[in-house]
Amino acid sequence: SQQGEEDPQALSIQEGENATMNCSYKTSINNLQWYRQNSGRGLVHLILIRSNEREKHSGRLRVTLDTSKKSSSLLITASRAADTASYFCATDRNNNNDMRFGAGTRLTVKP
Amino acid sequence: DAGVIQSPRHEVTEMGQEVTLRCKPISGHNSLFWYRQTMMRGLELLIYFNNNVPIDDSGMPEDRFSAKMPNASFSTLKIQPSEPRDSAVYFCASSSWTDYNEKLFFGSGTQLSVL
Repeated sequence: SQQGEEDPQALSIQEGENATMNCSYKTSINNLQWYRQNSGRGLVHLILIRSNEREKHSGRLRVTLDTSKKSSSLLITASRAADTASYFCATDRNNNNDMRFGAGTRLTVKP
Repeated sequence: DAGVIQSPRHEVTEMGQEVTLRCKPISGHNSLFWYRQTMMRGLELLIYFNNNVPIDDSGMPEDRFSAKMPNASFSTLKIQPSEPRDSAVYFCASSSWTDYNEKLFFGSGTQLSVL
């Protein structure tokens, strides 16, 4: 069964705009991770946020985590056409390292 | 390190045949995951291993699926007999795990088509 659920399912924006994707999950977690997948390729890790952290930055990426609401958001600032991909959140449950993924958000950045 | 290596990249087989997918994790990683990705069901966790021991195989669809990890550098996922509904992309991933998972490294996947 899936642990996380992303929304929106699809997002289309213009280059230079910001993109925000959300993830909700069901159980207590150790950490939450965001991944990117280009069409037909394996997933690539973007950023990890631990359950005791609230916000994390990496380049143009900003991730927030609200454990009380069991939700996270991924913000990509100043988007580029090369950011076009699917983005997934993944969580492992407390005392368990099964990494489960949501359904993903398909991001299209138009040049 | 060459990353997680999966083989074959593509597999086309006929219904009823046995299919074996292979994975070589990153050296030093102690967790290995098998996932299946389809448009309808997304990315499903099939089974994962810690230190070569299967921990949770509740995601394995049915008895036709089996997975082994005979040593730290090799794992197989076998489907016998295969069915058209098994057509999907199968990913292997590995990570370093102590009290929690570090990031997962994914292989390029095996595109399986069962005719």
